[in-house]
Amino acid sequence: DIVLTQSPATLSVSPGERATLSCRASQSVSIHLAWYQQKPGQAPRLLIYGASTRATGVPARFTGSGSGTEFTLTISSLQSEDFAVYYCQQYSKRPLYTFGQGTKLEIK
Amino acid sequence: QVTLRESGPALVKPAQTLTLTCSFSGFSLTTRNMCVSWLRQPPGKAPEWLARIDWDDDKYYNTSLETRLTISKDTSKNQVVLTLDNVDPVDTATYYCARTAPSLDQDLRRYYYYMDVWGQGTTVTVSS
Repeated sequence: DIVLTQSPATLSVSPGERATLSCRASQSVSIHLAWYQQKPGQAPRLLIYGASTRATGVPARFTGSGSGTEFTLTISSLQSEDFAVYYCQQYSKRPLYTFGQGTKLEIK
Repeated sequence: QVTLRESGPALVKPAQTLTLTCSFSGFSLTTRNMCVSWLRQPPGKAPEWLARIDWDDDKYYNTSLETRLTISKDTSKNQVVLTLDNVDPVDTATYYCARTAPSLDQDLRRYYYYMDVWGQGTTVTVSS
């Protein structure tokens, strides 16, 4: 099974600053990686798929990069609505889909 | 507009069978390369993918749960049903269904599928 490891577990950043979240896969997933945002009491929301393609309606301040085993989600200038938990997910190999354990982005 | 809504019992007793229904609109499971997945998320934990059913009725299951899971579809009703047999308190979670859409890998000339729209989820507690 492919294991996704996200770091850090918690990231404290001030509004207006940049946040960088990491996701490492235990084996190559090519570019078949997605990022989701989840706020309390809500379902996950797709932000990025194909490692770097923004989903419909996602602001340009969200940027995904990477391939193979190393991936990054960058939020260029944090807005108040961006503080949430972020999950990476691979859809490359069986079991078809696995998730990282999440990074909680909190206000500093 | 694509929407999905999960429904099912809020409370189930151990050893019973859990049956969940996903009702969707804005797309069709008769469309080539369209799929629906079920996932769950225990409180405070990451989501876990459970199963997927495709437009051509192919089915895929999480290998750790596949002996207990069954997924099916009713295209006339735009519904996908998931059953989980012999539930245990560790199955307590919020259960989600999600549209699962294709992404073409140009190099390999094959499709990979990711979950683009999720339902709001339904919370299930397993307890006697």
